[in-house]
Amino acid sequence: QVQLQESGPGLVKPSQTLSLTCTVSGGSISSGGYYWSWIRQHPGKGLEWIGYIYYSGSTYYNPSLKSRVTISVDTSKNQFSLKLSSVTAADTAVYYCARVNGSSTIDYWGQGTLVTVSS
Amino acid sequence: QSALTQPASVSGSPGQSITISCTGTSSDVGSYNLVSWYQQHPGKAPKLMIYEGSKRPSGVSNRFSGSKSGNTASLTISGLQAEDEADYYCCSYAGSSTLWVFGGGTKLTVL
Repeated sequence: QVQLQESGPGLVKPSQTLSLTCTVSGGSISSGGYYWSWIRQHPGKGLEWIGYIYYSGSTYYNPSLKSRVTISVDTSKNQFSLKLSSVTAADTAVYYCARVNGSSTIDYWGQGTLVTVSS
Repeated sequence: QSALTQPASVSGSPGQSITISCTGTSSDVGSYNLVSWYQQHPGKAPKLMIYEGSKRPSGVSNRFSGSKSGNTASLTISGLQAEDEADYYCCSYAGSSTLWVFGGGTKLTVL
């Protein structure tokens, strides 16, 4: 059973960089065939794609966030990470890491982590 | 504004059936049979309920079914139960440039 777990600071100051890591267990990122993704949900709102990384390192970012987002992978640790720069209060959200399979299905989700942007 | 349009809320009584629509365009829902549906209870991560338009993952009740007609996908829940009360989101593949788009979510209330 694949499991994903987000970790990182729950509070980030405005203009700083939000950094989260997703640790994958029960499956290897290196095995290929999956898109390791970040998705966020603003309080009381819907879901928003941030982007994904493939095990090879290729990435896709939501155009609305592209200038501020970097997603990286560490296959040796079976982890992938999110960095979102120049954050504002509008970036306060629950951040989920997730696995997307070849049929565009999000088949596994992390539990989510709330990140608050505040001074 | 979400790329896919869902009703903000639907409601039904226990035992009844309800349908949640998810309207997109010929660039997403209409072009691919890659719509998935997710159930989210308060404070929890979303859970996959339907994939590839109409397939159910192992462990999901057969009271949940999915379909598509043109640019609109639908999720039907039959024999409503109190535990079905949750938010539901659709998601569709939208081509190599956009990749995936979500609906805005529908709050299901079981009366």
